[in-house]
Amino acid sequence: EVQLLGSGGGLIQPGGSRTLSCVASGFTFSNHAMSWVRQTPGKGLEWLSGISASGGTTYYAESVRGRFTISRDNSKNTLYLQISSLRAEDTAIYYCAKHPTNTVFLPPTYWGQGTPVTVSS
Amino acid sequence: QSVLTQPPSASGTPGQRVTISCSGSSSNMGTNSVNWFHQLPGTAPKVLIYNNNQRPSGVPDRFSGSKSGTSASLAITGLQSEDEGDYFCAAWDDTLNVVVFGGGTKLTVL
Repeated sequence: EVQLLGSGGGLIQPGGSRTLSCVASGFTFSNHAMSWVRQTPGKGLEWLSGISASGGTTYYAESVRGRFTISRDNSKNTLYLQISSLRAEDTAIYYCAKHPTNTVFLPPTYWGQGTPVTVSS
Repeated sequence: QSVLTQPPSASGTPGQRVTISCSGSSSNMGTNSVNWFHQLPGTAPKVLIYNNNQRPSGVPDRFSGSKSGTSASLAITGLQSEDEGDYFCAAWDDTLNVVVFGGGTKLTVL
């Protein structure tokens, strides 16, 4: 059974930083591209960043480019998202998601349970 | 404002057939595959359809997807109360180099 367990969220002060993690199991992690997607009641679903299966190629939405960094450790079956220079509008549920192939060009097919991030003083 | 356009709401009675549309452009749905997701409150989205019309194992055949040009549709036949929730479409966009989503359609079973 595919499992994606996200962690690392919580209450963060404006301007602060945090690293979100997503531990994968139930599939060959190193064969699949991965992404981070966030969801807010007001803005719906927003794709943030994706990374190829090897980790050699990354993609970012303009809204987070330069502030967020995606990475992966295939030896640990773990996906990461470093989030920094946080603003109130970054408050959301952050999901990690698995793509069906080694690239991000087919949309994700499986989502983790989500980790909430709240940016507030 | 979402790149892919969906109606904000849809409804039907038990047993009825309902369709949800998703409209995009040549840079996303015109060239790339579409996925459909179902989301219940407080839970993660779950894929219903991938690659325009493929159903993962475990998804009932009451759900079907189709795509033509820059538009796609999700059809639900034999509507059931458990089908309530939010439905989203998604595709890769070749110009923006991101995955784009629809704004979501809230389905109510009357």
